[in-house]
Amino acid sequence: GAVVSQHPSWVICKSGTSVKIECRSLDFQATTMFWYRQFPKQSLMLMATSNEGSKATYEQGVEKDKFLINHASLTLSTLTVTSAHPEDSSFYICSARQTYHTDTQYFGPGTRLTVL
Amino acid sequence: GENVEQHPSTLSVQEGDSAVIKCTYSDSASNYFPWYKQELGKRPQLIIDIRSNVGEKKDQRIAVTLNKTAKHFSLHITETQPEDSAVYFCAARDQTGANNLFFGTGTRLTVIP
Repeated sequence: GAVVSQHPSWVICKSGTSVKIECRSLDFQATTMFWYRQFPKQSLMLMATSNEGSKATYEQGVEKDKFLINHASLTLSTLTVTSAHPEDSSFYICSARQTYHTDTQYFGPGTRLTVL
Repeated sequence: GENVEQHPSTLSVQEGDSAVIKCTYSDSASNYFPWYKQELGKRPQLIIDIRSNVGEKKDQRIAVTLNKTAKHFSLHITETQPEDSAVYFCAARDQTGANNLFFGTGTRLTVIP
């Protein structure tokens, strides 16, 4: 099956620093990737849609200058949390959709970010 | 955008009993409805999905039904086992732009041995 990886799986950073999270589709091409945020015992909240070779589309309320997304290739999207603050602490999960099979999204294992 | 509601938020059943989780959606144009299972600290895993041209789909102990008129769909798990314990999310795909998935709030299912 399609596999999506994320790196790192867990990161602790100081307030004010930036953190980059990578999302890779390992065995398929993904024109579109999605970034979600999940708080404990809550649902997946879509943050933005990442399209290869173009600008990301952000959901309402998500600051694009704070959550920078780059989708430079068909297998890699990155999310950079800039000037992180404790309220940014969360579980960030990406998903990828195969270029030629546009129904199913495959999720990465998630990245737990803790901002001190 | 699409709005998906899911009930119940928690569900406990005895091993061997059935479990039913229900979701409603707001956008009548949505045409794809997947269900994901998420175990604690792990990624969501697709367990079954249904498209709007089908009313029911079954895969072993898991089935999903869709009522397009009423805009609701349900997950049915029969002969539940302890390993079915997890959080289950329904989702609906909208028809705008990138065809995003919008998730329900989740149901924490506990199967009591």
